[in-house]
Amino acid sequence: DGGITQSPKYLFRKEGQNVTLSCEQNLNHDAMYWYRQDPGQGLRLIYYSQIVNDFQKGDIAEGYSVSREKKESFPLTVTSAQKNPTAFYLCASSGQGPVQPQHFGDGTRLSIL
Amino acid sequence: GENVEQHPSTLSVQEGDSAVIKCTYSDSASNYFPWYKQELGKRPQLIIDIRSNVGEKKDQRIAVTLNKTAKHFSLHITETQPEDSAVYFCAASKHSTLTFGKGTMLLVSP
Repeated sequence: DGGITQSPKYLFRKEGQNVTLSCEQNLNHDAMYWYRQDPGQGLRLIYYSQIVNDFQKGDIAEGYSVSREKKESFPLTVTSAQKNPTAFYLCASSGQGPVQPQHFGDGTRLSIL
Repeated sequence: GENVEQHPSTLSVQEGDSAVIKCTYSDSASNYFPWYKQELGKRPQLIIDIRSNVGEKKDQRIAVTLNKTAKHFSLHITETQPEDSAVYFCAASKHSTLTFGKGTMLLVSP
């Protein structure tokens, strides 16, 4: 959806390096999410945030960190502790409420140099 | 936690045929079931969703059915077209987080 912007589109990481993926939304959504997608796999939840200054671990949070200082922004840092970071990373957002649809950004493809 | 199984992993049909993709879920408290279509290298796009208080929902050539007792739901695409070719994901949710199936690659041949 045009309201969710992920950058960069492609990112390369060197050994021992932390990299940060950007996700910005202008949909006034309260909740934001980060997913990892590997070939032949579904989307797996890394972290999510339902409100500013609060976030929760998903199923595969190890080696990742996030912050939610502004409603519009939910950056994801892939740390050097994540030993297999090569994947397609998708950010999503949804409105307030228990059953609101999630809408996705265009993704960032991260590769190891 | 929730576990979602999706079948088949690949599905090939001729243009004009129907396609059916099936998913099962494990947590009976799940109450929201969206379906996403993802073309190669692009974002997943929501194509239809259903809530647990409804048994069936239809939108033109696409329909979804839900059987809460058996904990399974299905996507039905009628009169398939080549542009329907993509990977389709089902998901289940009981609060705000989604658990996804592993996807079905649908190939529609002209």
